[in-house]
Amino acid sequence: GDSVTQMEGPVTLSEEAFLTINCTYTATGYPSLFWYVQYPGEGLQLLLKATKADDKGSNKGFEATYRKETTSFHLEKGSVQVSDSAVYFCALSGIDSNYQLIWGAGTKLIIKP
Amino acid sequence: DTEVTQTPKHLVMGMTNKKSLKCEQHMGHRAMYWYKQKAKKPPELMFVYSYEKLSINESVPSRFSPECPNSSLLNLHLHALQPEDSALYLCASSQGRVNTGELFFGEGSRLTVL
Repeated sequence: GDSVTQMEGPVTLSEEAFLTINCTYTATGYPSLFWYVQYPGEGLQLLLKATKADDKGSNKGFEATYRKETTSFHLEKGSVQVSDSAVYFCALSGIDSNYQLIWGAGTKLIIKP
Repeated sequence: DTEVTQTPKHLVMGMTNKKSLKCEQHMGHRAMYWYKQKAKKPPELMFVYSYEKLSINESVPSRFSPECPNSSLLNLHLHALQPEDSALYLCASSQGRVNTGELFFGEGSRLTVL
């Protein structure tokens, strides 16, 4: 079945550092890929998405590119802020899951001033 | 209005109590979801309603009973819960019949079962 693998956290960075959170997936066909973010004490928010190969999703300075050849959707940001501290979930939606979201384990990001 | 509103934010109940969680959205979405999230884990799908009909039940124990009175409201009735049911319960909504994966989540109801 479909699955999503994320790098384990926590990831601790200093403010203004470059961020990469790795995400790889296994799926049949061409799933849609997502990054959701969960700030402390809150629900989840869609951060960005990509629906086909080579698409780049972007929002709030974050970017991720749908790489079919490496089955990856890594999240990047050029300069992180303390306010980016949160848990980041990679997810996919595809035919094998009846288009319900399959979630990665989540990566906790801690940004120190 | 792009909000999903959940009440209560916190709930403490005993194993013999009956309580309900409520969820409301006014975005015209026709699919609504209940998820359960344990600490430091991703959300687990419990139920999906599509056009006010239950379309997915992920083998959830009968002590959890969902209800969708109309397209804007979703309830989760709780009865005879166990301490291991303590978790954050998240409601979400999405447009239309086909799930695109774009869900709008509420802030959740944090449930503690004593």
